[in-house]
Amino acid sequence: DQQVKQNSPSLSVQEGRISILNCDYTNSMFDYFLWYKKYPAEGPTFLISISSIKDKNEDGRFTVFLNKSAKHLSLHIVPSQPGDSAVYFCAASVSGNEKLTFGTGTRLTIIP
Amino acid sequence: NAGVMQNPRHLVRRRGQEARLRCSPMKGHSHVYWYRQLPEEGLKFMVYLQKENIIDESGMPKERFSAEFPKEGPSILRIQQVVRGDSAAYFCASSRGQGSSGNTIYFGEGSWLTVV
Repeated sequence: DQQVKQNSPSLSVQEGRISILNCDYTNSMFDYFLWYKKYPAEGPTFLISISSIKDKNEDGRFTVFLNKSAKHLSLHIVPSQPGDSAVYFCAASVSGNEKLTFGTGTRLTIIP
Repeated sequence: NAGVMQNPRHLVRRRGQEARLRCSPMKGHSHVYWYRQLPEEGLKFMVYLQKENIIDESGMPKERFSAEFPKEGPSILRIQQVVRGDSAAYFCASSRGQGSSGNTIYFGEGSWLTVV
């Protein structure tokens, strides 16, 4: 049972435009959400997180939006840069539980 | 400040052999996590440890897999009698405090196990 879903395996975006990566979850107990970026043959790198008490969190070019009623979150990257080309994983957890549940990832390609 | 260090980066084992994967957390981090990534899948939680204690092993297969985080030295993920289905990337992560309390969890670069 895939509790965190990233339905787009891949996404291509022109450099300078906005990249929007989407993530859906089914477990209503999740209250903390994270985005990780991963290059081939490397470990995931933390990007940004959001608690369920917020609906938006921003850090530089990265903004995460959370829609609790729709059980949906998205990561916006603007402007997109070539170095953003990577696989992006959405992850979720429940307060007090250290286990992160990951989605299957979306491969983002930034076209110069 | 060195990141989470994992070794070996690549390991090849024949079916039936043992695999030992080591993880040194970041300096000052006492919380360690192990995740596994099978081809074309996301990372799956395996186990969460604090020094000398296994806190949550709900993601560990019931047999052949074990983990430890001794008082001194790295955390070890041990896989006995490996089978082809164990071939995967194994990622270790660490944090200063509990990730659920807002502490950032940092991942190592992974250990790629291939069973032939």
